[in-house]
Amino acid sequence: AQSVTQLDSHVSVSEGTPVLLRCNYSSSYSPSLFWYVQHPNKGLQLLLKYTSAATLVKGINGFEAEFKKSETFFHLTKPSAHMSDAAEYFCVVSGYSASKIIFGSGTRLSIRP
Amino acid sequence: DTEVTQTPKHLVMGMTNKKSLKCEQHMGHRAMYWYKQKAKKPPELMFVYSYEKLSINESVPSRFSPECPNSSLLNLHLHALQPEDSALYLCASSQGPSPLHFGNGTRLTVT
Repeated sequence: AQSVTQLDSHVSVSEGTPVLLRCNYSSSYSPSLFWYVQHPNKGLQLLLKYTSAATLVKGINGFEAEFKKSETFFHLTKPSAHMSDAAEYFCVVSGYSASKIIFGSGTRLSIRP
Repeated sequence: DTEVTQTPKHLVMGMTNKKSLKCEQHMGHRAMYWYKQKAKKPPELMFVYSYEKLSINESVPSRFSPECPNSSLLNLHLHALQPEDSALYLCASSQGPSPLHFGNGTRLTVT
């Protein structure tokens, strides 16, 4: 069985400060892990993906995620927030089947000027 | 710009209308998906087509009828919808089960 938990429904940071969006997951086998971003009235855009081997995954727009199997988290980070980062972020766990794609509940990121 | 194109972007329909949502991708992906997303919620899977055959139907009411005419196109036919069906309908495609590539969605309002 798989599950994913986004620990914060809303995160607010000041422009230029670091961003941390937290995601815990559980899986009975080695999963694929993803972060997606959704801007208002838009579809979901793939930020980054983890499929195997690497512990630090680099994505688009300066985002990164660290994979630690022993701790089952896949937190999303960015060193310096930009106003354009304000959006909804979804952590996703994927198994071997399309029906095994599990979305987290989402985290809304707000950026203060 | 997204590589999955959805039309129309917005749709308002009455409960007795029949309308269709369209989705097109040219990435050669063999799996295509319909998701429904309510405000402030994650997407919910409705249907999956794999190699142009319906492989997953997540117990969706029959007023939603999917169709996959070819490997690049996916339609969602709508008939006799209810106001609670108002949502953002997202199409996605993938090569294998993941990652998903999403379109920008159709914002559907049922009056």
